[in-house]
Amino acid sequence: RKEVEQDPGPFNVPEGATVAFNCTYSNSASQSFFWYRQDCRKEPKLLMSVYSSGNEDGRFTAQLNRASQYISLLIRDSKLSDSATYLCVVINNAGKSTFGDGTTLTVKP
Amino acid sequence: NAGVTQTPKFQVLKTGQSMTLQCAQDMNHNSMYWYRQDPGMGLRLIYYSASEGTTDKGEVPNGYNVSRLNKREFSLRLESAAPSQTSVYFCASLGGTRYNEQFFGPGTRLTVL
Repeated sequence: RKEVEQDPGPFNVPEGATVAFNCTYSNSASQSFFWYRQDCRKEPKLLMSVYSSGNEDGRFTAQLNRASQYISLLIRDSKLSDSATYLCVVINNAGKSTFGDGTTLTVKP
Repeated sequence: NAGVTQTPKFQVLKTGQSMTLQCAQDMNHNSMYWYRQDPGMGLRLIYYSASEGTTDKGEVPNGYNVSRLNKREFSLRLESAAPSQTSVYFCASLGGTRYNEQFFGPGTRLTVL
């Protein structure tokens, strides 16, 4: 079993839709959690950090559930420009970083 | 402030050749990382360095060596390149004032023939 697993999708949604991605992790020593966005195999860019209390930034909401060992990303009112690959990443207390394989989102007019 | 820089941007090697990928960051970050990304896959950790003078293996270290030359620089060496090492290589450093996030370089696209 992979240490970090994501639903690969692809997710094809119309503009304005709400879409949710989940990511599960197996190492309970995991300490930090993030969502990154990657466009066309360019370098990943930070989208959001993820906390147990939840983290909201405009149309994006990220949540961490430590008991069930998963993190989620919710995108509301999808825009064409949201089309990208979304990567979750987990960092353990030794600084080791593990990425999921990514979930591809395509937002269509 | 250039962030994370990588050289070269593109490279073609023949099987058995060696090369070193260079990475430097000017953000005074302690931790640095090397990843590879194959088509349709996420980033896989090759090696990381939690602080100057330390290096640790990641998920896919075979066929690679690293050097944390100083706090700024973290290089990745392929001693004898193989076609299976054809990939995009990303370097990252970890830090930040708001989040303890990773900042990525633009990547090196390596083809081994």
